[in-house]
Amino acid sequence: DAGVTQSPTHLIKTRGQQVTLRCSPKSGHDTVSWYQQALGQGPQFIFQYYEEEERQRGNFPDRFSGHQFPNYSSELNVNALLLGDSALYLCASSPPGGPRTYEQYFGPGTRLTVT
Amino acid sequence: QQPVQSPQAVILREGEDAVINCSSSKALYSVHWYRQKHGEAPVFLMILLKGGEQKGHEKISASFNEKKQQSSLYLTASQLSYSGTYFCGTAPRRRGGNNRKLIWGLGTSLGVNP
Repeated sequence: DAGVTQSPTHLIKTRGQQVTLRCSPKSGHDTVSWYQQALGQGPQFIFQYYEEEERQRGNFPDRFSGHQFPNYSSELNVNALLLGDSALYLCASSPPGGPRTYEQYFGPGTRLTVT
Repeated sequence: QQPVQSPQAVILREGEDAVINCSSSKALYSVHWYRQKHGEAPVFLMILLKGGEQKGHEKISASFNEKKQQSSLYLTASQLSYSGTYFCGTAPRRRGGNNRKLIWGLGTSLGVNP
């Protein structure tokens, strides 16, 4: 059973550019959450997608946007990159229904470096 | 509001016990515990949904005191594999709202030496 997968694993971009990160949830999971983790910090919630809609959002500017596809996979887009956007971007998926729907399983992350 | 974890760091000898605490200033719906090893993604340990709930995972257990808005993670007879950073994630209690948004603490770094 494949876990959560993310691509690419590493990415280097220049200030002002745009980036798209991808996430495939664990089989059977329908909810995807995105987090940003700076070095030495805990993950910061960006947003969560369910049924192809953004359900909740953290304190991130509109430069951060996302999408969820009918197969539950998701993309995170960041426009007008800033140096401060350099971080590990984590995707987590959750199973549907019942108490287990609150569990989150993380992918390996995408390390984004903005120069 | 970000939960506060304590201690920030702890070093153990193999076989020793440790307690990691997580406190929130807001009423909580759930508390989640994760362990993250250097360069890897966080790994889910357990979730506590009800006040007073206790759960276990191998020799790692946790409790959730809803009234005090606190959770504690207990590591018993620590093993070398327990090394890593432990994060608590809290979902604040909201009326009629989605309680899946997690707010994470800054983490507790745990090192286990032979």
